[in-house]
This record gives sequence, structure tokens and C-alpha cells, in this order.
Amino acid sequence: EAGVTQSPRYAVLQEGQAVSFWCDPISGHDTLYWYQQPRDQGPQLLVYFRDEAVIDNSQLPSDRFSAVRPKGTNSTLKIQSAKQGDTATYLCASRGLGYAEQFFGPGTRLTVL
Amino acid sequence: QQKVQQSPESLIVPEGGMASLNCTSSDRNVDYFWWYRQHSGKSPKMLMSIFSNGEKEEGRFTVHLNKASLHTSLHIRDSQPSDSALYLCAAHPNTNKVVFGTGTRLQVLP
Repeated sequence: EAGVTQSPRYAVLQEGQAVSFWCDPISGHDTLYWYQQPRDQGPQLLVYFRDEAVIDNSQLPSDRFSAVRPKGTNSTLKIQSAKQGDTATYLCASRGLGYAEQFFGPGTRLTVL
Repeated sequence: QQKVQQSPESLIVPEGGMASLNCTSSDRNVDYFWWYRQHSGKSPKMLMSIFSNGEKEEGRFTVHLNKASLHTSLHIRDSQPSDSALYLCAAHPNTNKVVFGTGTRLQVLP
């Protein structure tokens, strides 16, 4: 069974540039999470979906971050006008209906100069 | 907002020693806890979960849970250098939202 895939694996931006991250969850998993993990800290939830619906985006900086999952499968997280404080690893995870365990993708390591 | 506190922030143990990590949630609606391990440059991988009061053992790893105090602990006996990693505690309330702690960085010295 294929795991969660993410791309790109690395991104380096100047402040003010935009970037998009893509996530392909495990097939059949209805719940998808996006986390931001600063270096040497725990993952912090940004947003999560059940199928195509946003369930919680209360921690997503809505002025610059957006996330979609239009068909309830793949998802895209976008940062408009990146800031140095956005430097972190962005992790995508998915979970199957009726199961508690989340499976994480390899992450995208973002550096904003 | 629910918080998950982990202690200590970092821990150094000798090879063969015992490592003990702690985690407490502020949310009384927590149904269960997960422990994840994250090696440097890798994504978190689930180690163990615990739902009921008491103790659960899998190999060298033992997890305790006290639901009344919302406290869980992870104990690693006969620690190995390969156990060196960031250990994350995650609290799962009766929703789909999971809250992670800030982690404990474990270093096992050969």
C-alpha cells in the first residue's frame, strides 16, 4: 500500500514569494491534515478536512495561507507572500474512517530567506 | 485551546539505560493518547497508543496512562543509540482533531 506522498520535498523562497505544497493521502483515507512543524518543535495543526469539507482551519493564518481538497482526495496548501517566520517543515497526514492512527508524509521543508 | 505539555524538553541516557518521558493534556475530553517517534529529517511514526487506565508494554517500550490526571508516560528500557529521536505525545479528544505536544528530544549515548 502506498503511503502519503508530498511534493516538493524542499523549497527555498525569498520573503514575499508564493509557494504551493501538494499532498496525496493514502487511498481511501477520508481525513487529511496539514501541520506546520518548526525546527525541534511538535507539529502544529493548520487545517484538516473530512472528504472535501474543511472541519477546522482555526489555526490557519487566513490572510496568507489557504488550503483546498476539492475532490476529497489530493490537497494543496498555498502560502501567499511568505515570511521568514513561515520557515518550517509542512507535514501532511491522513487517517482512515474508523481508525485513529494518522499516517504522515515525508514533509516539505520550507526555508524563507 | 487544548494544550499538551511534555517533559523533559531533552533527555540524555547512556546506552542500556532507562528513558522516561512525560505528557499531560489540559483537555478533559481526551479519549486516548498516542506516542510518536520522529528521527531527524524524517516524519513522525506512531509508536504506541493507550486508551485505558493502566499500562501497556510492547517490547522495550511501556506506556502508562492515568485518565484522572490526563497524564501519560513512555518508558524505554535498554535504550539504544537508534532510539535517539524526538518523541511526540498526541492527545486525541472525542473529535478528529489531534493535538501534539512540543516533544522530548532523547539522546542515547553509546
